[in-house]
Amino acid sequence: AQSVTQLGSHVSVSEGALVLLRCNYSSSVPPYLFWYVQYPNQGLQLLLKYTSAATLVKGINGFEAEFKKSETSFHLTKPSAHMSDAAEYFCALLEGSQGNLIFGKGTKLSVKP
Amino acid sequence: GAVVSQHPSRVICKSGTSVKIECRSLDFQATTMFWYRQFPKQSLMLMATSNEGSKATYEQGVEKDKFLINHASLTLSTLTVTSAHPEDSSFYICSASPGLAAGEQFFGPGTRLTVL
Repeated sequence: AQSVTQLGSHVSVSEGALVLLRCNYSSSVPPYLFWYVQYPNQGLQLLLKYTSAATLVKGINGFEAEFKKSETSFHLTKPSAHMSDAAEYFCALLEGSQGNLIFGKGTKLSVKP
Repeated sequence: GAVVSQHPSRVICKSGTSVKIECRSLDFQATTMFWYRQFPKQSLMLMATSNEGSKATYEQGVEKDKFLINHASLTLSTLTVTSAHPEDSSFYICSASPGLAAGEQFFGPGTRLTVL
């Protein structure tokens, strides 16, 4: 069965520090993977997606993620955190012929001044 | 482009009443719409998938008679929570897919339902 695991429900970094949010997946077929960001009481905004092209994917707001098949990982990084990056981040895996997504449990990112 | 709206953004109702939530794709036609439920500090759980003009496909454990989904047009899907109870209180999020790229979904801003 396909699944997504996000390690760490809460990550706290200082402003300007590296952001690393971890995501591992399980899939019997080549995966399509996504990172979304959710601000309080809002819907989800797509940060970036991997669809079997380049393994290093660049997204919006300076985020990027690297697909590593050998590690079944798709970790999200940003070189320098900004206060506005504080939000909930979800990793998701495409499943099924109808295109529904399986979401990880989310990681809340806090940014300290 | 690719904007999805939800209405209402917030609703409070009494136990036993029904609540309808609308999801609209404003600038594209959505061949498929998805309804998710999100409990506080938890992830999104897919409730159902709907295609225009056909019956929705519900996930295991989701009561189709309680959560009525109608996908009447390529830009509108509605979720009706019938005979709502306090345990139905949650954040409901819809997403819409134009069906052009695998996994491409655009999310609405969500609806906060509180059942008293």
